[in-house]
Amino acid sequence: EAGVVQSPRYKIIEKKQPVAFWCNPISGHNTLYWYRQNLGQGPELLIRYENEEAVDDSQLPKDRFSAERLKGVDSTLKIQPAELGDSAVYLCASSLEGLGTEAFFGQGTRLTVV
Amino acid sequence: AQRVTQPEKLLSVFKGAPVELKCNYSYSGSPELFWYVQYSRQRLQLLLRHISRESIKGFTADLNKGETSFHLKKPFAQEEDSAMYYCALGTYNQGGKLIFGQGTELSVKP
Repeated sequence: EAGVVQSPRYKIIEKKQPVAFWCNPISGHNTLYWYRQNLGQGPELLIRYENEEAVDDSQLPKDRFSAERLKGVDSTLKIQPAELGDSAVYLCASSLEGLGTEAFFGQGTRLTVV
Repeated sequence: AQRVTQPEKLLSVFKGAPVELKCNYSYSGSPELFWYVQYSRQRLQLLLRHISRESIKGFTADLNKGETSFHLKKPFAQEEDSAMYYCALGTYNQGGKLIFGQGTELSVKP
């Protein structure tokens, strides 16, 4: 079992450019989370999916961030345009069903905006 | 406000010494508390949760609702315990989310 797979692992882009991150959750996991982790901080939730429905996107900066989870499996997180302050590690996690079950994390994508 | 506070960014101890990583939370409802750990160059993973009341790798954590704390303890630290430790609060409002503390880096010296 590969666990939660994220790509790319690292991304360096210039500000104002678009960027996309991809996540493949563990097979059978209905719940998928995207977190952002700034340097020296804990992860902060951006968006949570139950199957293909975004049930909590209150922390997602909707002017530049978007996410989708087509068919309730893979998910992509996009930033357009990127700003310097978006530099962070973006983590994807999945769980069988919501909060009561263990969340498994991917390795993360480290984004550097220059 | 829902919040998790880990007051120590870095905790350094010698091998064999007791360890206590502090975690305090703020939440008006019935909390669900977790400890996650991230070893060097590995992904974030669950260490333990309060509802299971189990000991993992010698670590235990007791939920103290009166003091709103969920401190992580181990009587004898090992070098392989060196890692980043994150306390997390699970809330069921807004459909459920995990709120993480800032993390404590544990360094166990030989």
